[in-house]
Amino acid sequence: QQQVKQSPQSLIVQKGGISIINCAYENTAFDYFPWYQQFPGKGPALLIAIRPDVSEKKEGRFTISFNKSAKQFSLHIMDSQPGDSATYFCAASIETGANSKLTFGKGITLSVRP
Amino acid sequence: GAVVSQHPSWVICKSGTSVKIECRSLDFQATTMFWYRQFPKQSLMLMATSNEGSKATYEQGVEKDKFLINHASLTLSTLTVTSAHPEDSSFYICSARAELDWSGELFFGEGSRLTVL
Repeated sequence: QQQVKQSPQSLIVQKGGISIINCAYENTAFDYFPWYQQFPGKGPALLIAIRPDVSEKKEGRFTISFNKSAKQFSLHIMDSQPGDSATYFCAASIETGANSKLTFGKGITLSVRP
Repeated sequence: GAVVSQHPSWVICKSGTSVKIECRSLDFQATTMFWYRQFPKQSLMLMATSNEGSKATYEQGVEKDKFLINHASLTLSTLTVTSAHPEDSSFYICSARAELDWSGELFFGEGSRLTVL
């Protein structure tokens, strides 16, 4: 059973446009929702994360929107740039301590056309 | 942010040999480190949770005798792929969370690409 599902599977956006990636989760006990960015041949890097006590968080061009009742959260990349072309993973975890494990979505490949 | 370093970044070995990959937290102490493997265009699959000074906890389906994990200090965990076979070829990534930091942020290494001939 896939606990964290991403959509779409791939995304192509024109430079300057808005990239929107969605994520749905199953486990209502999840209380930490990060987005990671990964470039080819590199490890993932944390972009932005949110907890269920807020519905939106913005950091620069990146915004997470969180809908607890729908068990969904999304990443919005404003003014998308070719340098944003990468694979994006949503994840979720139960924050019970240092051993808490992240459950990752399958990832989506974003291509930003110049 | 905190830095996690992996070494080597890539390695090629012959089938049947063993390969050790190191994961170091450079500027923080990590009681817990996590090891993942990632196949091309796929997600990260958690292999095991490495705890300093104790045995690693392996995920279901991961052979503990094949993937040996040692977490001897608060800044170093190692993954040894024993008797490697071509199907073990993959991208191995470690991550760590700063000790006493339960904020949730995991710092990932740059990954180690293993190719078994």
